[in-house]
Amino acid sequence: QTVVTQEPSLTVSPGGTVTLTCAASTGAVTSDYYPNWFQQKPGQAPRAVIYHTTNKHSWTPARFSGSLLGGKAALTLSGVQPEDEAEYYCLLYDGGAWVFGGGTKLTVL
Amino acid sequence: QVHLVQSGAEVKKPGASVKVSCKASGYTFTHYGISWVRQAPGQGLEWMGWISGYNGNANGPQKFQGRVTMSTDTSTNTAHMELRSLTSDDTAVYYCVKDQNWVIDYWGQGTLVTVSS
Repeated sequence: QTVVTQEPSLTVSPGGTVTLTCAASTGAVTSDYYPNWFQQKPGQAPRAVIYHTTNKHSWTPARFSGSLLGGKAALTLSGVQPEDEAEYYCLLYDGGAWVFGGGTKLTVL
Repeated sequence: QVHLVQSGAEVKKPGASVKVSCKASGYTFTHYGISWVRQAPGQGLEWMGWISGYNGNANGPQKFQGRVTMSTDTSTNTAHMELRSLTSDDTAVYYCVKDQNWVIDYWGQGTLVTVSS
């Protein structure tokens, strides 16, 4: 089964920009993996932020964007706010199955 | 608006089974599927499988095959997930999520299942 890898942790200053990435053990991530991204704060259910690589949900703040970068799926936060501190998970579709990454803990400091 | 409301927390003994329900509202249930995702304490997310709200067709990773049964009741717009032969490793929060056309958007509030002797 595909293993999906994310940075375990990242730190960003308020107002800064940070990019989280999502790699697949099988090779380059393409749009055919239908990358989804989720934000989870402590004690809460995850919340969807990006689908199909680049698409925002109606509730996703404009400062969030998704892309493909260097063979990985990427989530970029521009103008980071304190409330963006959370765990972020990517999700890839491979061989008829969804596979989650291990998550990135984003600290805003 | 869309809501997925799950059943309450459960405490089970090892070897038992648990059935979690997920009642959907705010959209046409038969037009979308439901995936089940779990999260062990302090751990990441794990996909358990998907079921069609249209015809009940289901699929999931081999890890859970033979131990998980997913079902739907279109008369009540409710999805169910039954997990059998529970061990302490199954202690987790279980989520249902709306999942169709490779888009996961709405999540249930989660159901804590604790397996303890």
